[in-house]
Amino acid sequence: QKEVEQDPGPLSVPEGAIVSLNCTYSNSAFQYFMWYRQYSRKGPELLMYTYSSGNKEDGRFTAQVDKSSKYISLFIRDSQPSDSATYLCAMSAGGTSYGKLTFGQGTILTVHP
Amino acid sequence: GAGVSQSPSNKVTEKGKDVELRCDPISGHTALYWYRQSLGQGLEFLIYFQGNSAPDKSGLPSDRFSAERTGGSVSTLTIQRTQQEDSAVYLCASSTRSGNTIYFGEGSWLTVV
Repeated sequence: QKEVEQDPGPLSVPEGAIVSLNCTYSNSAFQYFMWYRQYSRKGPELLMYTYSSGNKEDGRFTAQVDKSSKYISLFIRDSQPSDSATYLCAMSAGGTSYGKLTFGQGTILTVHP
Repeated sequence: GAGVSQSPSNKVTEKGKDVELRCDPISGHTALYWYRQSLGQGLEFLIYFQGNSAPDKSGLPSDRFSAERTGGSVSTLTIQRTQQEDSAVYLCASSTRSGNTIYFGEGSWLTVV
């Protein structure tokens, strides 16, 4: 079983919809949680970074972390066609291992006009 | 440059040849990371350099893979005696010492034929 599980989708939604992306993990040492967006043939781009449990909002994006359930989510409000990409969750234990990220498989999202 | 720069963007090589992939991190970033992204395995950590500390090589898949970082800046990932399973996108990333935000380059697309 992988340390981080992410539904690969694909997920297809109409423009304006609320999108929910999720990951579960098994390693209780993970302290830092990130969401990356990756367009085709591009490098991953950091969208959200959170530490420990709770919510964090940035514009149309909200990241949630529930450490007790080992579950993280990314919500995208008022989705746009430009949001069409692969979304990757990533996490690390922090400390000297901060940059050693463990990624989910990625969810392919398509937003239709 | 403004971002993480990688070269070559694309490389096709024959099985058994050695390849070198280069990464130029964001100026001032002390931490540098190499990741590999392939269809079957997703995004995997390879190696991590932090300042003058010994690198964390725990993700290198075999002794055919090595990396160095000269002068605390540019890094080269070397794959010796390439195999077809080495075909993947090799992504470099960098961050400041606190590492809250890890920035990825566009990747080097390696195809072994």
